[in-house]
Amino acid sequence: NAGVTQTPKFQVLKTGQSMTLQCAQDMNHNSMYWYRQDPGMGLRLIYYSASEGTTDKGEVPNGYNVSRLNKREFSLRLESAAPSQTSVYFCASDEPLNTEAFFGQGTRLTVV
Amino acid sequence: RKEVEQDPGPFNVPEGATVAFNCTYSNSASQSFFWYRQDCRKEPKLLMSVYSSGNEDGRFTAQLNRASQYISLLIRDSKLSDSATYLCVASGGKLIFGQGTELSVKP
Repeated sequence: NAGVTQTPKFQVLKTGQSMTLQCAQDMNHNSMYWYRQDPGMGLRLIYYSASEGTTDKGEVPNGYNVSRLNKREFSLRLESAAPSQTSVYFCASDEPLNTEAFFGQGTRLTVV
Repeated sequence: RKEVEQDPGPFNVPEGATVAFNCTYSNSASQSFFWYRQDCRKEPKLLMSVYSSGNEDGRFTAQLNRASQYISLLIRDSKLSDSATYLCVASGGKLIFGQGTELSVKP
C-alpha cells in the first residue's frame, strides 16, 4: 500500500536550473497539497488542488508552478531555482475537512 | 501574521511531566482541526483530530474553543518517545499548519 509517493528524495540544483517534483497518491483523494518546510517555520502551503482540474495558491506560491495532471498526480515545478528555495518539500493528500492527510516522505532540495 | 500560530518552543520536560501546547487560528471559516506529530524532519503523521466537545486518546487530550479560536493539546505522563515536533492544523478546505512546537522529554 504505497499511499503518497514523492520523487526525487534528494536533489541538488544550480541557481537558474529548473526541475519538477513528482507526487502521486493511490487513495483516491480529491485534495492534494505541496508544502515547504524550513527550520522554525513549520509547513508552509505553496499550492493546493481541491480536485482534479483545479489549483490554488497557498501562502508562498512565488517561484513555483503546479499541475494537477489527473486525480492521482500533482507536480510542482521550479522554473528557475534560487538559493531561497533550498528546503524540504512535502506532498500530501486528503479528502477535505474530515479525514487524515497523508504525506510523502519529502524531497530535500538544495540550490547552490 | 500566520493564519495558525503556536507556542514557541522548545519545551524541555522530565519524564512523567504534564505538558500543554496551545494554538490559535485566525480564519473563522476553519471547520476541522488536527494535531500532527513530526519526528526528525520526517513526514508529519496524524496524532489526533480535535472536536468541540474535546477528545482524549490515552495520555493525550485535545480541546477546541471556537469562540476564542483556540486549540490545545495536553500530554500527561510524558514518555521519552513523546519527543517530537507537534504541529497544529486548521482546515477550511485547505490544510494550514502552525510553525510547530518542539518537545524534548528527558530522563
